[in-house]
This record gives sequence, C-alpha cells and structure tokens, in this order.
Amino acid sequence: GDSVTQMEGPVTLSEEAFLTINCTYTATGYPSLFWYVQYPGEGLQLLLKATKADDKGSNKGFEATYRKETTSFHLEKGSVQVSDSAVYFCALRTSGGSNYKLTFGKGTLLTVNP
Amino acid sequence: NAGVTQTPKFQVLKTGQSMTLQCAQDMNHNSMYWYRQDPGMGLRLIYYSASEGTTDKGEVPNGYNVSRLNKREFSLRLESAAPSQTSVYFCASSEQGSRYEQYFGPGTRLTVT
Repeated sequence: GDSVTQMEGPVTLSEEAFLTINCTYTATGYPSLFWYVQYPGEGLQLLLKATKADDKGSNKGFEATYRKETTSFHLEKGSVQVSDSAVYFCALRTSGGSNYKLTFGKGTLLTVNP
Repeated sequence: NAGVTQTPKFQVLKTGQSMTLQCAQDMNHNSMYWYRQDPGMGLRLIYYSASEGTTDKGEVPNGYNVSRLNKREFSLRLESAAPSQTSVYFCASSEQGSRYEQYFGPGTRLTVT
C-alpha cells in the first residue's frame, strides 16, 4: 500500500539556518505530494504541493521538488525564522477508488531558537 | 467563509459514555474525512465520505460511527468511549481528485478517563 517516510525529529535549529526535512514515499500510480504544517494548538494547513514529477511547490520561502526517480519530496528553506517552529507533515494522495485518500508521514517537529 | 468548523474544541468523557463530534464545511466540497492524531503516529483516517450519501471505513474505524447528514455536515459518534480513544480528532474536506488538498478543521481534544 501507499506509505510516507519522513525524517524523525525533533529538529532544532538557530534562526537563519538552512532547513531540510527528508520525505520519501511508496505509492501505486502517480500520486500528488503535499507538505502540511501544524502550529501549536492548531489544525493542519497546506504549506505547498506538487501534482506531477519535476514540479516544484513553493510557499513562504519553503520549497519541495517532486522527484519520481528517487520517490522523494524533501522540504527545504534557506533561512528559518522562530515563527517557523511547528510540526511538518509530508503526505501523498492517490486515486484509490473514489476516495483519493491522503496518506501522512508521522510528522517532524521543528524548533527554531532565536 | 469559515472553512471547516468543529465542535466542541475540548471534551472530557468517562469510560462508557457516548458523544458526537460535529463537523461542517462551507466550501461545497464533496468529500469529508475524520482523522485522529496521536503522538508519534501522525494522522490516521477513521472514516470518510467520498460524496453525500456514502461513508466508508478508514484505517482505524473500530469504536466509531459516522453520519453524513448533508453535503455540509459529517459527524463522528463514539457509542461507548474507551481510554484508547483519547486523542485529537480532526475533520477535513476536499474536492474529489488526487491533485486537490484537504482542508482541516481546528480539532477536538478528547480525553476519556
């Protein structure tokens, strides 16, 4: 079945450091790939997405490229801020019947210190 | 445009009690979902409704029932709560199709003692 593996946290960085959170996936067919962010005490928000191979999703300085050859969708940001402290989830969505269900990784907690 | 709303935000139940979590969306989405989030487990799908009038089991349906009341509303019922159901519950909605993202509500934090 479909699965998502993302790097285990927690990840602790200083402000302005470079961020990479690795995400790899296993899926049948051609999934769409997503990164969601969850700030403390809140629900999940879509951060970025890519719907086909070689697409790059970007938002708020974050980027991720859909790499079909390595089945990866790593999240990167060049200079993190304290406000980026949150849990980040990688997810994929495939056409399983009429469901198109979303499969999540377990999440990576990021803490950015001033 | 409120997006996805959930009630209540917090709830404490005793073992064996029942309750219904309510969810509504105003984005005219066909599909709605219920997830639970537990530490170290990510989000796990409990039930989903691909369209009005249909519901199906997800990964962890035992102990839960759902009702798709209309296109806007999708409720989750715990008939006899157990401590293992202590979790944060999220409702989500989306358009049908793999390229569409799901929109999440703010969550309900449930504790069963």
